[in-house]
Amino acid sequence: DTGVSQDPRHKITKRGQNVTFRCDPISEHNRLYWYRQTLGQGPEFLTYFQNEAQLEKSRLLSDRFSAERPKGSFSTLEIQRTEQGDSAMYLCASSLVNTGELFFGEGSRLTVL
Amino acid sequence: GEDVEQSLFLSVREGDSSVINCTYTDSSSTYLYWYKQEPGAGLQLLTYIFSNMDMKQDQRLTVLLNKKDKHLSLRIADTQTGDSAIYFCAERTGANNLFFGTGTRLTVIP
Repeated sequence: DTGVSQDPRHKITKRGQNVTFRCDPISEHNRLYWYRQTLGQGPEFLTYFQNEAQLEKSRLLSDRFSAERPKGSFSTLEIQRTEQGDSAMYLCASSLVNTGELFFGEGSRLTVL
Repeated sequence: GEDVEQSLFLSVREGDSSVINCTYTDSSSTYLYWYKQEPGAGLQLLTYIFSNMDMKQDQRLTVLLNKKDKHLSLRIADTQTGDSAIYFCAERTGANNLFFGTGTRLTVIP
């Protein structure tokens, strides 16, 4: 296993369209996290899963955002009715429970025109 | 609430040591992290330290933690041009997510 992979790496969309990002965590990592990073800032926590259960959501995660991890493996992050303010890098990370190491993917960059 | 602060820029000459500093506010932090991010790339975990440790060394990297002052530092020995990147400090509290600083852009001058 080569690490956390994310798809697509880049997405350009028009305002109002829906987009979906996929994250495949490191095998056997039971925790999966989504973060958002805007230019010049550090990543901000959005949500995390332990297995298939979504255990925490940030206030940043508006009603237009939904994340799923149906089988406890890969996860999707969907943004409905995209706005220009949604333009950012969406980062996925995974870890084992009760370890310190979070490993990040390369990110999915969203540009909303 | 959590707040993690870093200086924005650091320039060093190749071969010198770099020291990147970070302060945090949450005394319940369990782990503290250093990540490296190169342009257009994701975050690479460099090292992390458990909150009951004072120091951790890993090859060219030395992490120092002063829990009383809530101060974390990363020292890179013999800095190379390939070390040029943005370095993020992050803290993990009892909750299961990380809070990041705004990053320090390290420029290594040949």
